[in-house]
Amino acid sequence: GAVVSQHPSWVICKSGTSVKIECRSLDFQATTMFWYRQFPKQSLMLMATSNEGSKATYEQGVEKDKFLINHASLTLSTLTVTSAHPEDSSFYICSARDRPGETQYFGPGTRLLVL
Amino acid sequence: QKEVEQDPGPLSVPEGAIVSLNCTYSNSAFQYFMWYRQYSRKGPELLMYTYSSGNKEDGRFTAQVDKSSKYISLFIRDSQPSDSATYLCAMSESRTGGFKTIFGAGTRLFVKA
Repeated sequence: GAVVSQHPSWVICKSGTSVKIECRSLDFQATTMFWYRQFPKQSLMLMATSNEGSKATYEQGVEKDKFLINHASLTLSTLTVTSAHPEDSSFYICSARDRPGETQYFGPGTRLLVL
Repeated sequence: QKEVEQDPGPLSVPEGAIVSLNCTYSNSAFQYFMWYRQYSRKGPELLMYTYSSGNKEDGRFTAQVDKSSKYISLFIRDSQPSDSATYLCAMSESRTGGFKTIFGAGTRLFVKA
C-alpha cells in the first residue's frame, strides 16, 4: 500500500523558535497533500491543502504566516511552524493523495511540544 | 449540525464480540466513504474505502453504506484486543477546486481480553 513518512516523529523546542516538519510520499506521487493537527482525544482538524507547485489553501482560522506550507515536489511537503508558542503544541499529521477522488494516506504524525 | 456525526464512545466490548461503529451525515453530495483506524500517538491507517451503497468485506471488517439513510457502518467480527483503537469515518465530495474530505470525531474502542 501507499506509504507516507513524516520527520521528525517528535520535537521539543523553545518558545519563539521555528520548527519544520517534512512529509514524504515514498512510493507514489502526491499531487495533493494535507496538513492536520489533532489535540488529545479529538478528531483531525484540517489546517491546509497543498497542491504541488502552487500555494496552499488554508482553512478558516489558520494563520498562513504562522504555518508555512511548501509543496515543492510531488513527493515532499513541509510545514514550518514559525515563532512557535506553547499553544502550538499538538500532534501534526500529514496525508497525501495521488489523484482527486482517491483516498488519503496518512503519515505517522509529528508530536510537537513547545516549552 | 455537523456534516458528519460520530459517537466518540468509548465503546468497551469483550474479546470475540461483534463491534458495530456508525456515522451519520447530512450532505447527500458525499460520494466516497472511508474508515480509518488510529492507534494512540499514531497517524490514521486506512481500513476500508467504498464508493457506492452496499456492503464491502475485507477479512473481519465489513463496511456498509446506506446513502438513502445517510448512514455508514463498520462491523468488526471476532474482535481482538489489538483492535482497540480510535476509528474514524470519513467522507468525500467533489467541490470546486478538488475533493473535500470530512472526518468524524472518531469512536474509541476497547476490546477486553
